Amino acid sequence: AQSVAQPEDQVNVAEGNPLTVKCTYSVSGNPYLFWYVQYPNRGLQFLLKYITGDNLVKGSYGFEAEFNKSQTSFHLKKPSALVSDSALYFCAVRVLTGGFKTIFGAGTRLFVKA
Amino acid sequence: DGGITQSPKYLFRKEGQNVTLSCEQNLNHDAMYWYRQDPGQGLRLIYYSQIVNDFQKGDIAEGYSVSREKKESFPLTVTSAQKNPTAFYLCASSSPVAGGSTDTQYFGPGTRLTVL
Repeated sequence: AQSVAQPEDQVNVAEGNPLTVKCTYSVSGNPYLFWYVQYPNRGLQFLLKYITGDNLVKGSYGFEAEFNKSQTSFHLKKPSALVSDSALYFCAVRVLTGGFKTIFGAGTRLFVKA
Repeated sequence: DGGITQSPKYLFRKEGQNVTLSCEQNLNHDAMYWYRQDPGQGLRLIYYSQIVNDFQKGDIAEGYSVSREKKESFPLTVTSAQKNPTAFYLCASSSPVAGGSTDTQYFGPGTRLTVL
C-alpha cells in the first residue's frame, strides 16, 4: 500500500538550533513529495515539494528538505529554528489511484523553545 | 490561506440534522477537495472533484455528500448518517499540472463542526 509515515508525534528544539522533522514514504513509481505546515485553527500552507532533479529542495520561511531515494525519506530541515516555527507539519505524497490523490502523514508537532 | 474561503468557521449540529459547509475559491482551479482532520490522524479525503459536474468518493465518503455545479464552489453536506461528525473540515483546490501528478494544494481556513 502507498503510504507516508512521520515517526515522531512531537519534536522539541531550542531556538537557534537546527531542526529536523522526519518523513518516510512507500509508493510505486516516482514519488512526488510535499511538506505543508498548519498553525492552530488554520488551513495547511504549502512549504515545498520534490518532483525531480536536485535532492535538496528549498522552500518557504528558510525550510529545506532532502530527498533520499535509497532510504525512501524526505526529511524537513531548517538550520536555525525560530519560536514562530512552532506548528504542526505534514508530509504528503501524490499518488495515482483512479485519479491523482494526496496522502498525508499523521503530522508532527514542532515546539521551539525560546 | 490563498483565495479559498470556508464558512462558517464554527458550526454546531444537533443529532439527526444535516448541515452544509461552504467552500468557495477564486483561484480558477479545476480540482477541489474535502478533507476531515481528527487529532493524531492527519487528513483523510472525503470527496474530490477534478472538474465541474463530476466528483469522486475519497477514503471516508460515507455519511457525506457533495455537489460541483460551479467551478468556484464545492459545498459539503454532513448528513445524519455520519455517526461521528465532530471534526475540523478542510477544503482545498489545485490546478492540474503535468496531468495532476505534481499538484500543490491550496487550503481554506477550515470549519470546525461540533455535534451537540
